[in-house]
Amino acid sequence: DAKTTQPPSMDCAEGRAANLPCNHSTISGNEYVYWYRQIHSQGPQYIIHGLKNNETNEMASLIITEDRKSSTLILPHATLRDTAVYYCIVRVGGGGTSYGKLTFGQGTILTVHP
Amino acid sequence: NAGVTQTPKFQVLKTGQSMTLQCAQDMNHNSMYWYRQDPGMGLRLIYYSASEGTTDKGEVPNGYNVSRLNKREFSLRLESAAPSQTSVYFCASNIGQQLNEKLFFGSGTQLSVL
Repeated sequence: DAKTTQPPSMDCAEGRAANLPCNHSTISGNEYVYWYRQIHSQGPQYIIHGLKNNETNEMASLIITEDRKSSTLILPHATLRDTAVYYCIVRVGGGGTSYGKLTFGQGTILTVHP
Repeated sequence: NAGVTQTPKFQVLKTGQSMTLQCAQDMNHNSMYWYRQDPGMGLRLIYYSASEGTTDKGEVPNGYNVSRLNKREFSLRLESAAPSQTSVYFCASNIGQQLNEKLFFGSGTQLSVL
């Protein structure tokens, strides 16, 4: 799996967009970018994933650069409840246990301020 | 719909004691996983079960055993607990047969071994 690099921490004002970057310069052509978050003391929660096109769902948007070496997770209107650790994971898409072997790095601690 | 349920939520053991962490999912998922998370670190896979009747080792299996009791339940056993096994344990599941699946996590078991 490609290694990812994320800033250890970021701050954001409530109501503003939170833009979380992730570098994955060794990503392969068949590797997907996944984002999960973990709110204090809870289990990780899936946010979004993509291969090369930008993706949007009810929680966030994912912007992947054309060379796929980096991506940005965007929370359009951050709230205090978005304070969490955000994990960027690059993994080969596939069913079965290969998917389950997600490698969670240290992630980015996002703190949303009032 | 409860999702992934773990019991107990908290447990304190003495070195050498044994215990079993329970996990059950009600989403008819085929694959189930056990992770541990240590302070300041990401999640590490202990064991997984691709389907009922099968189990395999993950990254850090030493000191643990698992049982896939049926499709719903996947338990993690510590035969002789050690202080190094103090951690937060998460169970997760997914369908295990489709592309780009997301993992569903339980709320965790906080284990302290004295």
